[in-house]
Amino acid sequence: AQSVTQLGSHVSVSEGALVLLRCNYSSSVPPYLFWYVQYPNQGLQLLLKYTTGATLVKGINGFEAEFKKSETSFHLTKPSAHMSDAAEYFCAVSGLTSGTYKYIFGTGARLKVLA
Amino acid sequence: DGGITQSPKYLFRKEGQNVTLSCEQNLNHDAMYWYRQDPGQGLRLIYYSQIVNDFQKGDIAEGYSVSREKKESFPLTVTSAQKNPTAFYLCASSITANQPQHFGDGTRLSIL
Repeated sequence: AQSVTQLGSHVSVSEGALVLLRCNYSSSVPPYLFWYVQYPNQGLQLLLKYTTGATLVKGINGFEAEFKKSETSFHLTKPSAHMSDAAEYFCAVSGLTSGTYKYIFGTGARLKVLA
Repeated sequence: DGGITQSPKYLFRKEGQNVTLSCEQNLNHDAMYWYRQDPGQGLRLIYYSQIVNDFQKGDIAEGYSVSREKKESFPLTVTSAQKNPTAFYLCASSITANQPQHFGDGTRLSIL
C-alpha cells in the first residue's frame, strides 16, 4: 500500500528565507514522486517530478526536491522565499499496486510568506 | 493551447436535485480523474477513468456518477444521494496513470 505524509499543514517563512516543506512516503515498489502547487480558487500545477535517475530534481519557480530512498523522503526546498510563493503545496506518490497505478496526494501544506 | 476546461466555475444545487459538472480536455490524455477538495483534507478521489468507456470508483464514489463516452470528456454528476456536496471539485487528466496530472480550475458547488 502507498501513502504520503506531509508534516506541517501550515508553514510560515520570512521573505528571503529558506523554504522547506516535508514529504515522506510509503511504497512497496519504486515510486514516482511529485510536488504540486495550488493558488486560491485554482487547480493544481506541477512543480517537479521524480521518476528515475538523478535524485535531486529541479522544478519551476526555483524549487527543487531530493529523493532520499533511505529516509523515504522527498522534501521540497527553495533557497529564498518570495511573496508570490504563498500557496498550498501538495506532495503525491504514484506506484504500481495490484497491476494498477495508484496516485495518492498528501493533505497539503499552506505556505505563508511574511514581509 | 492545450488544457482542461471545467464548467461552470460556480454551481448551486437545490435539495433533491442532481447536477452535472463538465470536464473537457484537449491534451489527448487517456486517463481522467475527479477529486473533491475540502478544507484541510487534501484531495480525495471520486472516480477515475484510464480509457474510454471504462471507469472505476475512487475512495468516495457514493452519491456520484460519471461517464466516459469520449476521450475528451469526463462529466461528473452529483446526485441527490450525496448529502454533503458542498466542496471544490477538481478534474484532472494524465497521459497514463503514473504520469503528472494536469488540472482544471475547478468548480465550486454549494447548496441553496
